[in-house]
Amino acid sequence: EAGVAQSPRYKIIEKRQSVAFWCNPISGHATLYWYQQILGQGPKLLIQFQNNGVVDDSQLPKDRFSAERLKGVDSTLKIQPAKLEDSAVYLCASSLDSGGGETQYFGPGTRLLVL
Amino acid sequence: AQSVTQLGSHVSVSEGALVLLRCNYSSSVPPYLFWYVQYPNQGLQLLLKYTTGATLVKGINGFEAEFKKSETSFHLTKPSAHMSDAAEYFCAVTHNTNAGKSTFGDGTTLTVKP
Repeated sequence: EAGVAQSPRYKIIEKRQSVAFWCNPISGHATLYWYQQILGQGPKLLIQFQNNGVVDDSQLPKDRFSAERLKGVDSTLKIQPAKLEDSAVYLCASSLDSGGGETQYFGPGTRLLVL
Repeated sequence: AQSVTQLGSHVSVSEGALVLLRCNYSSSVPPYLFWYVQYPNQGLQLLLKYTTGATLVKGINGFEAEFKKSETSFHLTKPSAHMSDAAEYFCAVTHNTNAGKSTFGDGTTLTVKP
């Protein structure tokens, strides 16, 4: 079974530029998550999708971050414009469903450095 | 509201020694608890989880954890550390009334000395 795929793996941009990350979840997984992991901290949920609908985006900085999951499969997370404090690893995860006991399967992450 | 506290951001043990990584949680409803491991430049991988039933949970690579409701704890243990156990470990909590939204601790880095 193929795992969660993410690209790119690394990205370096200057502040005020825009950047986009792509995630392909495990086939058949209805729930998709985007997390931000700042160095030395645990992952923080940015947005959660159930199929192509948003379940939770309460911690997404909506003035600069946006995400979509068209057709309920792949997802894209965008930052525009980027700030220095956005430097982090962006993790995508998926699960079969959104129940509390569901195991989340994580991709390798995209490491973003904003200069 | 839910939260997780991992005591000790760094733990160092000798190869063959007991591994104990501590996790305390706060949740207003019955929790589901998870331990994940993260190797350098990789995503998180599930070690084990507690949902319901037996409070002693066994996971991969010889790890186990015990859910203690009275102590609001879910500590991770392994009887004998191996060099390959060196990684970062995250405890997470969720529950069935918040669509599986997970809250993670800040992680514990485990170092295994030869």
